Amino acid sequence: GAVVSQHPSRVICKSGTSVKIECRSLDFQATTMFWYRQFPKKSLMLMATSNEGSKATYEQGVEKDKFLINHASLTLSTLTVTSAHPEDSSFYICSALTSGRNNEQFFGPGTRLTVL
Amino acid sequence: GQQVMQIPQYQHVQEGEDFTTYCNSSTTLSNIQWYKQRPGGHPVFLIQLVKSGEVKKQKRLTFQFGEAKKNSSLHITATQTTDVGTYFCAGGGNKLVFGAGTILRVKS
Repeated sequence: GAVVSQHPSRVICKSGTSVKIECRSLDFQATTMFWYRQFPKKSLMLMATSNEGSKATYEQGVEKDKFLINHASLTLSTLTVTSAHPEDSSFYICSALTSGRNNEQFFGPGTRLTVL
Repeated sequence: GQQVMQIPQYQHVQEGEDFTTYCNSSTTLSNIQWYKQRPGGHPVFLIQLVKSGEVKKQKRLTFQFGEAKKNSSLHITATQTTDVGTYFCAGGGNKLVFGAGTILRVKS
């Protein structure tokens, strides 16, 4: 149980285009979802916290107009990187919290974004 | 804001040797979690420590939470090649602040 999927796993796009990444909790309802960014051999940097039915809370320094987050249901959150640039190339990982699991976060497999 | 520091950054050990990674927070933590990320993979939850001075074991892994709830350690006894990966500590409640991670390489 507690499986989180992400789609796509890899995406290559041209500079200036927008990319949507989906994060789904497959067998549980996620009260909260988180979006992280990870650079090679670096730690996870929290970008935003997403709650179903409400606006996402962004961390300091993360542009909310650049990284649009929608949490339409208890099993789906999406991150859209708008007008992507090469510096947005990174590994984006989502995670999900569920009630009764004591703050344990379940991570998706990640999405590798490459902007040319 | 809260910062979580983790050392060492890298550790190469011979198979069978022990390994320890340390985590320190600038503030008192409500809890600390440990995750393992295999190369090319995503973080996987290992454990959560909540109580001051708590010690938990999972087979060859021993996790400790300091008395002041500001530091923690993960110790692996007799490492195996399957232990390779990056070990992250993460502090806080629902919103986690991750340490930089310790990359463990095991030479067979």
